[in-house]
Amino acid sequence: AQSVTQPDIHITVSEGASLELRCNYSYGATPYLFWYVQSPGQGLQLLLKYFSGDTLVQGIKGFEAEFKRSQSSFNLRKPSVHWSDAAEYFCAVGLLYGQNFVFGPGTRLSVLP
Amino acid sequence: EAGVAQSPRYKIIEKRQSVAFWCNPISGHATLYWYQQILGQGPKLLIQFQNNGVVDDSQLPKDRFSAERLKGVDSTLKIQPAKLEDSAVYLCASSLTGGSNEQFFGPGTRLTVL
Repeated sequence: AQSVTQPDIHITVSEGASLELRCNYSYGATPYLFWYVQSPGQGLQLLLKYFSGDTLVQGIKGFEAEFKRSQSSFNLRKPSVHWSDAAEYFCAVGLLYGQNFVFGPGTRLSVLP
Repeated sequence: EAGVAQSPRYKIIEKRQSVAFWCNPISGHATLYWYQQILGQGPKLLIQFQNNGVVDDSQLPKDRFSAERLKGVDSTLKIQPAKLEDSAVYLCASSLTGGSNEQFFGPGTRLTVL
């Protein structure tokens, strides 16, 4: 069965520090991969997505993610975290026509001043 | 461009009662999704429509949940009868055609079952 794991439930970083959020998936075929952010009281917003081509994907708000097929991973990175990045981050995967769309359990990011 | 609209925003009911949620997707979006997000968890896909046809409802508890999108535009999700474990935020999302297309999410309906 398809699954998405985000090993870190909660991460705390200092403002200005670098960030990496992990995502691993188990799918029968290479899926489409997404990262979404959910801020308190706000809806889910797409940060970036990968479905083919360059394995390093740039997104909004200075985020990037790298797809590694050999590791079935799609980790999210940011070189310098801002206090406004504090939120819940979800990795998600789906197939060609959007079937079996699955969200990971999420990683909560806290940012220290 | 107007976003995905959902109503009501909050609903409190007692167990065994019925409840319905409404979603109006972004104009022109053929694909509509309903998700259930229990506190502390990621959203779980309940049902996916392509126009007015169902693409995926494998995780919809069909004994109590139903959804329809009769004219391929807005959609309703119903729970009848509700259980305590149905307390969650119900999210509606839409996309142009599904697949790699970005899903745009509504603000959600927070359901509390007492």
